[in-house]
Amino acid sequence: DIQMTQSPSSLSASVGDSVTITCRASQSIYTYLNWYQQKPGQAPKLLIYTASSLQSGVPSRFSGSRSGTDFTLTISTLQPDDFATYYCQQSYTAPLTFGGGTKVEIK
Amino acid sequence: EVQVVESGGGLVKPGGSLRLSCAASGFTFSGYTMNWVRQAPGKGLEWVSSISTTSSHIYYGDSLKGRFTISRDNAKNSLYLHMTSLTAEDTAVYYCARGMGFVGRGYYYMDVWGKGTTVTVSS
Repeated sequence: DIQMTQSPSSLSASVGDSVTITCRASQSIYTYLNWYQQKPGQAPKLLIYTASSLQSGVPSRFSGSRSGTDFTLTISTLQPDDFATYYCQQSYTAPLTFGGGTKVEIK
Repeated sequence: EVQVVESGGGLVKPGGSLRLSCAASGFTFSGYTMNWVRQAPGKGLEWVSSISTTSSHIYYGDSLKGRFTISRDNAKNSLYLHMTSLTAEDTAVYYCARGMGFVGRGYYYMDVWGKGTTVTVSS
């Protein structure tokens, strides 16, 4: 199975900060990496698919990139609504696997 | 409105069985692969299973060990998950999600999620 390792597991940031979350795959998954946001008590929400494609309706302050087996999710100017947990997920092969999550908290 | 709504969760004793349902509306259900994803209390997301449009391709997570069965009824716009031999480790919120693309062929993501149904396994 492909292991997805997210870092950090949590971070504290202020409104207006730029935030970067990293996800590393245990083998090549090409660009087959998705990012989801989840708020407490809510379902996950798709943010980015195939590493860098922004899902319809998602603000442009969210972006994704890839370098080899490393993937990053960047929130350019953190907004109050962005405090949540973020998960990466590889879709290169079954079983589909998620990263452990990164909780973004208010500093 | 495009949506999926899960039901069927509840309290079940260890070793018991349960069937979850997911009702889809607002889109052509028969045209999409469907998925179950679960989340144990305080834990991360875990993919459970996926089923293709005609049920010809079915996938399961490794941890299920043959205890779960996914199925769908396109005439009823419904997805199901039959769970047996339940243990405390199966306690979780179970989400139904619509898939875009093809499982195992790279391009695949889950774009519509339900609010989930809670399964608690306890004596």
